Amino acid sequence: QVQLQESGPGLVKPSETLSLTCTVSGGSISSYYWSWVRQSPGKGLEWIGYIYSSGSTNYNPSLNSRVTMSIDTSKNQFSLKVSSVTAADTAVYYCARGQILCDYWGQGTLVTVSS
Amino acid sequence: EIVLTQSPGTLSLSPGERATLSCRASQSVSSRSLAWYQQKPGQAPRLLIHGASSRATGIPDRFSGSGSGTDFTLTISRLEPEDFAVYYCQQYGSSPWTFGQGTKVEIK
Repeated sequence: QVQLQESGPGLVKPSETLSLTCTVSGGSISSYYWSWVRQSPGKGLEWIGYIYSSGSTNYNPSLNSRVTMSIDTSKNQFSLKVSSVTAADTAVYYCARGQILCDYWGQGTLVTVSS
Repeated sequence: EIVLTQSPGTLSLSPGERATLSCRASQSVSSRSLAWYQQKPGQAPRLLIHGASSRATGIPDRFSGSGSGTDFTLTISRLEPEDFAVYYCQQYGSSPWTFGQGTKVEIK
């Protein structure tokens, strides 16, 4: 059974960079697409982007200039960075398997942007 | 980007009743590229339906999806206690993929 687990700081200061890692267990990260989705009370569910195991990426244009995704197949991990965060980036961040339709999801991690 | 509007916001029903949820798109969703997810408190969304009407693996047949163009429907034929949750539609016919704001199905 594939399992995903998000990890990273739960509190980030405004203007800093949010960094999260998703660790995949129970299966290989290779040959799959991996996505990040966030959920906030104000904006609901928002697709952030995806990365393929080769490293190719596609980001939501609304976040494009601030988002970077990377993947480390040797560690079965992929990562998300969001720069210049504001309070509007406060949300539960989910990692998931899939490019569009995600069948396995992490439990989600709350990231709060506050000084 | 395509905006999805779900209605009603909340649906109050009893177990055994039929639930009909609506998702309307601001423009036509190509190739019936619409999915439905179920989310329970403290959990991640769970894929129910894709391609507007195809059930995901392991999803009971009381869940069915229909529609095309700009109007889509999720129907739960007979509500089970575990079906009370929030349901989201998602379009993936046009990037960026977008979600509706959700319909909460609560116990009456």
